[in-house]
Parts: sequence; structure tokens; C-alpha cells
Amino acid sequence: SYVLTQPPSVSVAPGQTARVTCGGNNIGSRSVHWYQQKPGQAPVLVVYDDTNRPSGIPERFSASNSGNTATLTISGVEAGDEADYHCQVWDSSSDQAVFGGGTKLTVL
Amino acid sequence: QVHLQESGPGLVKPSETLSLTCTVSGGSVSSYYWSWIRQSPGKGLEWIGYTYHGGNTNYNPSLESRVTVSVDTSMNQFSLKMTSVTPADTAVYYCAAGTSLLFDSWGQGTLVTVSS
Repeated sequence: SYVLTQPPSVSVAPGQTARVTCGGNNIGSRSVHWYQQKPGQAPVLVVYDDTNRPSGIPERFSASNSGNTATLTISGVEAGDEADYHCQVWDSSSDQAVFGGGTKLTVL
Repeated sequence: QVHLQESGPGLVKPSETLSLTCTVSGGSVSSYYWSWIRQSPGKGLEWIGYTYHGGNTNYNPSLESRVTVSVDTSMNQFSLKMTSVTPADTAVYYCAAGTSLLFDSWGQGTLVTVSS
């Protein structure tokens, strides 16, 4: 089945820009969704269909998807952005949802 | 936005059947797609399966032989049954709502431990 690869961790200082990547074979041809999961909480959808933000998600969260890499970008990182971030696609060949392993964002 | 709440036993013995229910408010289980997703301790998310359109289902191929997701429209609930559990099935189980492609509302999750 389709595999999504994320770095285990990313660290960034407050106010800087964090980039979380999600690698997959020709992932640019698929719709990628991103979820934020704070400690002890359920995931929350922060980006859908590559670049769209649900209502209530700050504009600081943006994303792109091209080639073999999708990227979630968080601008002006705040302490409250510290969380695990998961990418997800639907794999039509195996007819299942596939998640990346998750990336822990640490705000220094 | 819908609200979802999982319920069920927190401890299941090996080889037995895990049963969980998700109660939905603010939306009808006759619409949307209703999923179960789990997260083993310290691990990533794993989609288990979903029900949609009042009873159709689709499952993760790796779990399909042990899993059943069903819907009770009269109670506005949907359920998960997983047979022949092992300690590897220990996880936080989430119910979620969304489309066929993504999950835009999640329950708070419930920890299920498989142990004798």
C-alpha cells in the first residue's frame, strides 16, 4: 500500500517559520490533508485538499503539494503550536486512508 | 459541526472481542462517512474503517477479517467490533466524521487495553 514518510521531529524558535514535510511517491497527484494533535487530545484538521484551511484555523497555517513532497508551513510559530502533525491521503489503489507517521513540532 | 463521543470497555482480554460505540450529536448518521481510527501508544494514526449512506462499509485491508463497523440510525450511533484481539490492538480508539477522503470531526478518543 501507499507509504507516507514524515520526519519524526522538527524544532523551531518562537516567531520563526516551521516546515513539516510529508513524502510519498508522486504525492503531488493526490489530495493531502493535515491534522494537528496536541498532547492528550484528538487530532484536528488544519489543512484539507492540499492548501485549504477549515474555518477557525489561523492564516499562519499554509501548505503546498508538488512532486514527491507535501509541506505544511506554520509562520510566526507560537508556543501553542507545539503538537504532533500528521499528513493523510486516500489511497484509491488499496481503497484506504493512509497516514504518515507524524512529526512532533517542538517550539524552543 | 458534529460532536462525537466514544464509549465502551477500557480493558479487553486477549482473544476476545472489542466493542465500541460512538454517539453522534449535531448531525445524522444517515449522512456523511463515519470512521474508526486508532493510535497505538507512541505511534501514528491507523484508519480502521468506515460506514456510510446508512450501512455501506469499507475497511482497512489489514484489519478487514476481524473488523465490523455498523450503524444504528434510530440511536444515531455507529459501532466497532474487532474480534480475536491481541496486545497489539492496545490503542486509543477514535471515532471520526467526514467525507470519503478526510476526517473533519473527531471524538475525544478512548483507551482500550488488551490484557489478561
